[in-house]
Amino acid sequence: KQEVTQIPAALSVPEGENLVLNCSFTDSAIYNLQWFRQDPGKGLTSLLLIQSSQREQTSGRLNASLDKSSGRSTLYIAASQPGDSATYLCAVLSGYALNFGKGTSLLVTP
Amino acid sequence: DTGVSQDPRHKITKRGQNVTFRCDPISEHNRLYWYRQTLGQGPEFLTYFQNEAQLEKSRLLSDRFSAERPKGSFSTLEIQRTEQGDSAMYLCASSLVGTASNQPQHFGDGTRLSIL
Repeated sequence: KQEVTQIPAALSVPEGENLVLNCSFTDSAIYNLQWFRQDPGKGLTSLLLIQSSQREQTSGRLNASLDKSSGRSTLYIAASQPGDSATYLCAVLSGYALNFGKGTSLLVTP
Repeated sequence: DTGVSQDPRHKITKRGQNVTFRCDPISEHNRLYWYRQTLGQGPEFLTYFQNEAQLEKSRLLSDRFSAERPKGSFSTLEIQRTEQGDSAMYLCASSLVGTASNQPQHFGDGTRLSIL
């Protein structure tokens, strides 16, 4: 059974800092890995998708990397802003279903 | 593209009542998924449709749960004889059929169910 772990569970940083969120998974047989953002009481917004054959994807201030053989992914957020405050979820696709971690709750303070 | 739409946004009901939720996927998306999310946890997979066919069900989907997708368009998720443990956010997602590796799942805002 695929297990997805996210570290840290919570993170508080001052505005402007660069930060890294970590995700690990136990079974390397995945189709892709997605990073999502979730605001309180809301659904999930897809941020980045990395296919199993890819090493990284970038969108604006976000960069996600994937090391499938070691079962790890990182989400790098550059020059953080208060509007980045949210929960960030990592999910891997092994079959039809996404397997999610519990998320990292990020607070960016002005 | 109006995104995935879910209705209602919130549902409060008494234990033992039946509830039904609706999901309208992004048009032309023929894959549809239901997930459940409890507080502090990531979403957990419930079931998956490709067009009108229900192709996979999680063991989390007990006999009290049923999902349909008539005509391969919108989907409904019904919970019969609700229990306290059913309180959660129910999320719907959709995606295009294609190479599994490059099709993201797009999520709606969910239906929050509270059982009194």
